[in-house]
Amino acid sequence: AQKVTQAQTEISVVEKEDVTLDCVYETRDTTYYLFWYKQPPSGELVFLIRRNSFDEQNEISGRYSWNFQKSTSSFNFTITASQVVDSAVYFCALSGEGGSEKLVFGKGMKLTVNP
Amino acid sequence: DSGVTQTPKHLITATGQRVTLRCSPRSGDLSVYWYQQSLDQGLQFLIQYYNGEERAKGNILERFSAQQFPDLHSELNLSSLELGDSALYFCASSVPLTGGVYGYTFGSGTRLTVV
Repeated sequence: AQKVTQAQTEISVVEKEDVTLDCVYETRDTTYYLFWYKQPPSGELVFLIRRNSFDEQNEISGRYSWNFQKSTSSFNFTITASQVVDSAVYFCALSGEGGSEKLVFGKGMKLTVNP
Repeated sequence: DSGVTQTPKHLITATGQRVTLRCSPRSGDLSVYWYQQSLDQGLQFLIQYYNGEERAKGNILERFSAQQFPDLHSELNLSSLELGDSALYFCASSVPLTGGVYGYTFGSGTRLTVV
């Protein structure tokens, strides 16, 4: 069965600090997809990134970067120079090929960025 | 606006009652997924429909049922409601992208409060 573990439940930082959100996954699928979603206080789920299991290149998008390491089954997310608007709950998720289209979410990690 | 429409946004009802949550997927998306987000269980997959047929089932209670209509909108029916059913219910739709990955779009959710 697929499983996503976000060991950190809550992190509080001061603005401009860098913060890394950890995500460890388990799957028996050879092809799978990893996602990060942001859930701001307003409640909606905002898509951040999707990565397939064959693409281990790290990705940077502005202040966001993602580090995918298949060897350790991890897909970590770093926010550089955090801002108050980054305060949200962040979810890591996993889906598999074929019949495993559904997303399996981690428990989420609440990030609070204080001014 | 994500393109996935969920109604109502908020719902307050009493224990023992029955409610129907509605979801209209993004235009062209054939798959609809329902997720429940509660404080203790996190984001959990309930059920998936594809072009009117049930495709996958998750941790959906027997008191809950869903269907997808010919126009592709979906309804999630929750009956004999209990306090523990209070949660945020998300609908998502998906479209297959190149490389076998799916692009998921989430609605803004229906917040159900059972009193």
